[in-house]
Formats: sequence, C-alpha cells, structure tokens
Amino acid sequence: AQSVSQHNHHVILSEAASLELGCNYSYGGTVNLFWYVQYPGQHLQLLLKYFSGDPLVKGIKGFEAEFIKSKFSFNLRKPSVQWSDTAEYFCAVSDYKLSFGAGTTVTVRA
Amino acid sequence: NAGVTQTPKFQVLKTGQSMTLQCAQDMNHEYMSWYRQDPGMGLRLIHYSVGAGITDQGEVPNGYNVSRSTTEDFPLRLLSAAPSQTSVYFCASSDNREEAFFGQGTRLTVV
Repeated sequence: AQSVSQHNHHVILSEAASLELGCNYSYGGTVNLFWYVQYPGQHLQLLLKYFSGDPLVKGIKGFEAEFIKSKFSFNLRKPSVQWSDTAEYFCAVSDYKLSFGAGTTVTVRA
Repeated sequence: NAGVTQTPKFQVLKTGQSMTLQCAQDMNHEYMSWYRQDPGMGLRLIHYSVGAGITDQGEVPNGYNVSRSTTEDFPLRLLSAAPSQTSVYFCASSDNREEAFFGQGTRLTVV
C-alpha cells in the first residue's frame, strides 16, 4: 500500500518569504503525484501534478514542485508567498486510489 | 458543467440515526471515492469505486456503506451514526489516475 508523508504540520511565513513543503511517498510502482490546496472553508483544488517527463513541474499561482525519484520526494516550492497563499496544502499519490498526506497548514502574515 | 455535486452541505444527526450523503458527477468519470477529513489527519479514504457495480473499501470503511448503480452517482450511507463520525466528508471523481475533482464537502456533526 502506498503512503504519503508531509514533513511539516504548520508553517508560518511573512509575505515575500520563500516556501518549501516537503513530501515523501512510499510505493514500489508507477504513481502520479499531486499537490492540492484547500483555502479556508473550501474544497480541495489542484495546484499541480506530475505524471512523467520533466521532473520540475509548474502549477498555478507561481507554485512549482520537483520530483526526485531516488528520494521518493515531491517537494512544493514558491519563491515569494502572498497573504492569499494562506491555506492547507496536501500532497497526494495515485496508482488508481488517491492517498493523501496529513497536510501542512501555511499561514502567511502580512 | 456542474462537476461533482454533494448534498447536503451541513447535517446534524443524533447517535444511532442513519443517513445518506449524496454525490453525483457529470464528467463521465469511472473512478469515484469518499474521503473524510479530520484535523491533523489529512483525507482518509472511506470507500471507492472503479466503475458502475464495483466498489471497494478504503482505509476507514467501518460504519459506512456505498453502492454504485450508475456511473454518475455514488452515495455514502451511515448505518448508525456515532460521534466518531463527526467530520467533513468529500466526494471525488477522476478519470483513471488523473486529477481528482472534489465536491464542496458535507460537514456532519453527530451528537
């Protein structure tokens, strides 16, 4: 069975700071990788996804993630955060079932 | 295009009551699933379906039933509600291993 581990439970940043959220997964086969975001009171929305090809993927709102196969990692980054990036972020892995990490709450202070 | 529609948005149940959470999608997706979201635990898979007539258990299936009589609909039944089932429930659909689309969620409180 696959599992997903997110390194941070809660991250607090100031605006314009850089953000990096760690994600590691365990699964022996081919997987698709995702980062989802959940803004307060809303449902999950896709930030970006990796299926194959270039391991550096770009998503919406200036987010990017790097897939490192040897480390089973898929870390999310954003060079300069904004107050509106305050949300909960979930890493997810799919063979055909989608499994989520526990989530990281990101608070951006103005 | 409605996407994934979940009803109701809010529900309060008494312990022992039963109810059905509705989920419908109009994207002709084969894969549908139900998750519960609890603080600090992410989303945990309750049940999923890979097509009409086929369902299987996820991580936390106890106390819940599902059926998939059509491609569009995937209702989740709580057989006898317990306070431990207080949670936010999300339905999702996807096309094979592609991006999942989520409903707006149902906030359930069991008292």
